[in-house]
Amino acid sequence: AQKVTQAQTEISVVEKEDVTLDCVYETRDTTYYLFWYKQPPSGELVFLIRRNSFDEQNEISGRYSWNFQKSTSSFNFTITASQVVDSAVYFCALSEAGTSGSRLTFGEGTQLTVNP
Amino acid sequence: KAGVTQTPRYLIKTRGQQVTLSCSPISGHRSVSWYQQTPGQGLQFLFEYFSETQRNKGNFPGRFSGRQFSNSRSEMNVSTLELGDSALYLCASSFSGRLAEAFFGQGTRLTVV
Repeated sequence: AQKVTQAQTEISVVEKEDVTLDCVYETRDTTYYLFWYKQPPSGELVFLIRRNSFDEQNEISGRYSWNFQKSTSSFNFTITASQVVDSAVYFCALSEAGTSGSRLTFGEGTQLTVNP
Repeated sequence: KAGVTQTPRYLIKTRGQQVTLSCSPISGHRSVSWYQQTPGQGLQFLFEYFSETQRNKGNFPGRFSGRQFSNSRSEMNVSTLELGDSALYLCASSFSGRLAEAFFGQGTRLTVV
């Protein structure tokens, strides 16, 4: 069975600090996708990134970067020079190719607070 | 392009009642999934509909049901409400569902009293 673990329940940083959110996953499938979503106080989950299991290249998008390492089953998310607007709950999620249709398994989420 | 629309945004119901939530996916998206979010259990998958057929189902009791219409709009129904059903119910739409990125609505906050 698939599982996603986000060990950091809450992180608090001061603006302009770099912060890394950890995500560890478990799956028996060789083909799967990993996702990161952001949930601001308004409630909707905002899609940030999707990465398939065959692509271990790190990705950078502006201040965001993701480090995918299959050897450690980790898919960590780094925000560089954090801003107050980054304050939200961040979820890591997994979807397996063997699953019929679409089914996301989410981690517990990490509450990030960026203080001015 | 309009996003995923969920109605209503807030609901208060009494134990034993039933409730219907609605989700309109992004135009052209055929897959609609439903998730329940609670402080204790986190985000849990309820079910997915694709082309009016339930394609995947999570581990929820039969009180939770859904359907999808020919225009891809979906409804979720919860019968005989329990206090523990109080949650944020999120709907996600995607083009095909299979491993595609899902776009979420703002959710319906259900409170059972």
